[in-house]
Formats: sequence, structure tokens, C-alpha cells
Amino acid sequence: GAGVSQSPSNKVTEKGKDVELRCDPISGHTALYWYRQSLGQGLEFLIYFQGNSAPDKSGLPSDRFSAERTGGSVSTLTIQRTQQEDSAVYLCASSEGPEPYNEQFFGPGTRLTVL
Amino acid sequence: AQTVTQSQPEMSVQEAETVTLSCTYDTSESDYYLFWYKQPPSRQMILVIRQEAYKQQNATENRFSVNFQKAAKSFSLKISDSQLGDAAMYFCAYRTGANNLFFGTGTRLTVIP
Repeated sequence: GAGVSQSPSNKVTEKGKDVELRCDPISGHTALYWYRQSLGQGLEFLIYFQGNSAPDKSGLPSDRFSAERTGGSVSTLTIQRTQQEDSAVYLCASSEGPEPYNEQFFGPGTRLTVL
Repeated sequence: AQTVTQSQPEMSVQEAETVTLSCTYDTSESDYYLFWYKQPPSRQMILVIRQEAYKQQNATENRFSVNFQKAAKSFSLKISDSQLGDAAMYFCAYRTGANNLFFGTGTRLTVIP
């Protein structure tokens, strides 16, 4: 079946503009995660959705970052008033459930470049 | 706080040889999961192998195996009979409860023909 998909693949924007990044998880997966990967770094957790529960936003670096998940499926990560330090690859992952033994399946990511 | 440390930014191995990638972690939890992910240039993170902390037996997946030392909080990955397709970034990760994965900074593996 189809894996996790993300769009756009690449996004170039100017400092101060808002951007929206989209994630389509694997059908039926209740858990969805957003991570950020800066150049030469590991992945940094941003936000986690599980079913209809309130999301875990503990990883969001500032109030310029927000995310929503509509109908328990598609998720959108929004970055307002982008800064150059926001340049990174944004990865989305989904899993069948929240249990730690469940594999997280990753999408190919969106490379964001803020000029 | 949970931290994951990969002390080898880069490693290289001759094709068909064996290489070991190191990972240490810090946690106060007794039950958790450890993972190795591979990230080729396509950016897609691929699960290579996982280990449950309560299991003493080291996990094995074909040419990939781990050396899990719980007391030392060490979780190394051994790749046997290395192939050109193994060239990638390798990330060690930790997870407990229903939370996110905590990742190390990665090791770039080069396979020399």
C-alpha cells in the first residue's frame, strides 16, 4: 500500500512569509509525528497527534509553529513569519498506534529553505 | 532527560567486510525501545532493526545485528557482508511510553568498492 507522503518536496520562501507543509499518513494509522532535521543533525521532535486526543506540542520551538490534523488523517504544519533558522528538512511519520513497539513510518520530507 | 549519543560522525567499510556503529544513551527508565534507522540520500528514514530493553537476546535482521548492553546503556549496530547499498546515514533512536523518538546525530557510512 501507499506509504507516508509529504508535499511539497521542496519549498523556498522569503524571510517573514508563512508556509504550510502537508503530510498524508498511511491509511488507518492513528498516530502522527512531525520532526525537524537541521543540516548535519539528528531529528528533533516537534509535535505528536494520537487519534482525537489533544496533541503533544512540547517540541514546537516557538509560537510561530503550529500544526493541525483534520479528521484524524491529513496533517498540516504551519510556520508563520519564517526565519532563516527555520531552514531544515521537515519529516512526518505515522504509526498504527501510540505503543512504543509500533514502527514509525516516515515520509520523504519537505526541504524548507528560507532566504 | 533522554539523550542519545553517536560518537562516530563518519565511518567507512570495504565492501563485503563488517562494520560496527556505536550508540550510547542515557535514561532513567527501565522499559524502553531502541532503534536503528537508515537514511539514504532520498531522505526516507527506513527502520533497520529494533530492540526491546526487557529482552536480553540481541536482535538480528539478516546482515544486521545489535550488541545491546543494558547496564552500560550501549546499543551498537553490526553490519556484516557490507554492500554498496548500505551506504547512508544511520541514526540510533530511543523511545519510551507513547512519546516520540529521540535521535542521535547520526553516523555517515561509506562503503568502498
